[in-house]
Parts: sequence; structure tokens; C-alpha cells
Amino acid sequence: EDQVTQSPEALRLQEGESSSLNCSYTVSGLRGLFWYRQDPGKGPEFLFTLYSAGEEKEKERLKATLTKKESFLHITAPKPEDSATYLCAVHPSQGGSEKLVFGKGTKLTVNP
Amino acid sequence: ETGVTQSPTHLIKTRGQQVTLRCSSQSGHNTVSWYQQALGQGPQFIFQYYREEENGRGNFPPRFSGLQFPNYSSELNVNALELDDSALYLCASSSDSNQPQHFGDGTRLSIL
Repeated sequence: EDQVTQSPEALRLQEGESSSLNCSYTVSGLRGLFWYRQDPGKGPEFLFTLYSAGEEKEKERLKATLTKKESFLHITAPKPEDSATYLCAVHPSQGGSEKLVFGKGTKLTVNP
Repeated sequence: ETGVTQSPTHLIKTRGQQVTLRCSSQSGHNTVSWYQQALGQGPQFIFQYYREEENGRGNFPPRFSGLQFPNYSSELNVNALELDDSALYLCASSSDSNQPQHFGDGTRLSIL
């Protein structure tokens, strides 16, 4: 069964304190791994897609990396506006549809 | 470019009733997926439509059904509502299988 586990469930950082979020996955063939940001009362906002081990993507203070079993979202010198829930999702290659399998997310709080 | 829009934003129903939720996909997108997100959980895949045909279904009972129209907008119908159906219902659209899904802000459904 395809499965995504994110850790930690919640993370509190001081402004400027860098850290990483983890996404471990078990999937029957990986077509892609996605990172989303979700603010309270809103839908997930797309951040990155990673397709193969060793791939890295960057956007402002965020950097996503991928291995064969996990992905990391590195946050460098975060600001309070980076506070949100970060969701990881995998797109399995089997099944035919374009479904995404999501983890439960990591709730990030950045204090000023 | 108009993003994914969903209506209504909030809805309150009682057990046993039926509900229809609507989604307008992003311009140029021909694939629509529906997800259910319970509080504190990641989104769970309900089903997907591609060019008006169902293209994959998650572990949801038949009382969850859908439609996609020629303009690629979509509806989610839920019959015989149960208390556990209370959740945020998210619609996502994409242009093809290798592109990320873009989400709307969802419909918050509460069952009394």
C-alpha cells in the first residue's frame, strides 16, 4: 500500500533558525513527489515537484531534495510568514489515475 | 489566469440529506480530482475525471459520485450524508499527467 509519513507533526522555530522537514514514502513506483503549503482555511498551494533521486529544487528560503525513500524540505532563515502546514504527496506510477497520496503534514510556526 | 474556484465555501447539512459541490478548473486544465480533508489530516483522494470520464477512484462508497462537464468544470455529489462526512472538500485541476495539481480553497461541509 502506498504510504507517506511526515515528521515532525509540528515544529516551532525562531525567526532565522533554519531547519528541515522530513517526508518518508513507500510507493509502488514513483512518478513524482510534490510539496504543498497550506494556510488555515485555504487549499494547498503548490511549491515543488521532484521526479528522481538526487533532484533538488529551490524557491526563496525553501529547498526540496529527494532520495529513493524520503524527501526533505529545508527552510533557511525562516520568517513568520513561512508559518503554515507543509504537505508532502506522492504520485504512484501504478493505478492509472493521477491520484496523489498525501501525508498528514507538518505544522510550522515561526516566531518573530 | 483564473485559478481553481469552488462553491459554496461553507455548507451545513443534516444526516441523510444530499449535497452537490461545484468546481471550476483552471483555464487549460482538462483533469479534475476531488479530495476529502478531515481536520488535522492530509487530503484523501475521492476520484478523478479526465475529459468527462471517471479516471480512478479512492476508497469511498458509491454514495460519493461525480460529473465533469464539456467545459471541464465538475461536481461532487454525496447522498445519505453521515456525520463522518464533515470535512473540507478540495478540488484540484491539472493539464496532463506530469504537471502538478492546483487546488481550490475548498468547501467546508458540516453535518449536524
